[in-house]
Amino acid sequence: DIVMTQTPLSLPVTPGETASISCRSSRSLLDTYAGKTYLDWYLQKPGQSPHLLIYRVSYRASGVPDRFSGSGSGTDFTLKISRVEAEDVGVYYCMQRLEFPITFGQGTRLEIK
Amino acid sequence: EVQLLESGGDLVQPGGSLRLSCAASGFTFSTYAMSWVRQAPGKGLEWVSDVRGSGDSTYYADSVKGRFTISRDNSKNTLYLQMNSLRAEDTAVYFCAKGGSVSGSYFVKEDWGRGTLVTVSS
Repeated sequence: DIVMTQTPLSLPVTPGETASISCRSSRSLLDTYAGKTYLDWYLQKPGQSPHLLIYRVSYRASGVPDRFSGSGSGTDFTLKISRVEAEDVGVYYCMQRLEFPITFGQGTRLEIK
Repeated sequence: EVQLLESGGDLVQPGGSLRLSCAASGFTFSTYAMSWVRQAPGKGLEWVSDVRGSGDSTYYADSVKGRFTISRDNSKNTLYLQMNSLRAEDTAVYFCAKGGSVSGSYFVKEDWGRGTLVTVSS
């Protein structure tokens, strides 16, 4: 199974600052045949269901503000949240779907200082 | 508007069975992969199972393989999860999720339901 490792697990951020979350996979998430990398990011706000933020490393889902951006390749990926707002609190998960079983990272809890 | 409504969660004894349902609306159900993802109390997300739009291909986490069965009725726009031989560690909120429509996003979890709670305890 592909193991997904997120850092940090807890991220206190001052409003207006930039937050970065790292996600590392135990194997490359590049599908060399399709030329696509299957790494997504999800946010679960307190008391809510998760929702999709970023798919295939860097494509924002519908309605996601451009303050959210994803980058990376191979085994190392980053979610960056610019100008953090109070509404961004919650737990962020990376997920690989290159192969089954699909696996999630442990989650990173973003909190406002 | 996409809507996913899970039901069927309950308190069940270890070794018991339960069937979860997810009623879908707002999209052409048969063209999308569908998923079950669970979250144990206070824990992170754990993928459980996926099924392709046609229903002919299914995928399972090792932790549920042989005990859980995912299925779908495209005529009723409904996704199911038959859960047998339940264990205490299956206790979780079970979310259903819809796949993506953009190229390369078939198994993304684009939309999520609100979840249904399964508690396995004597």
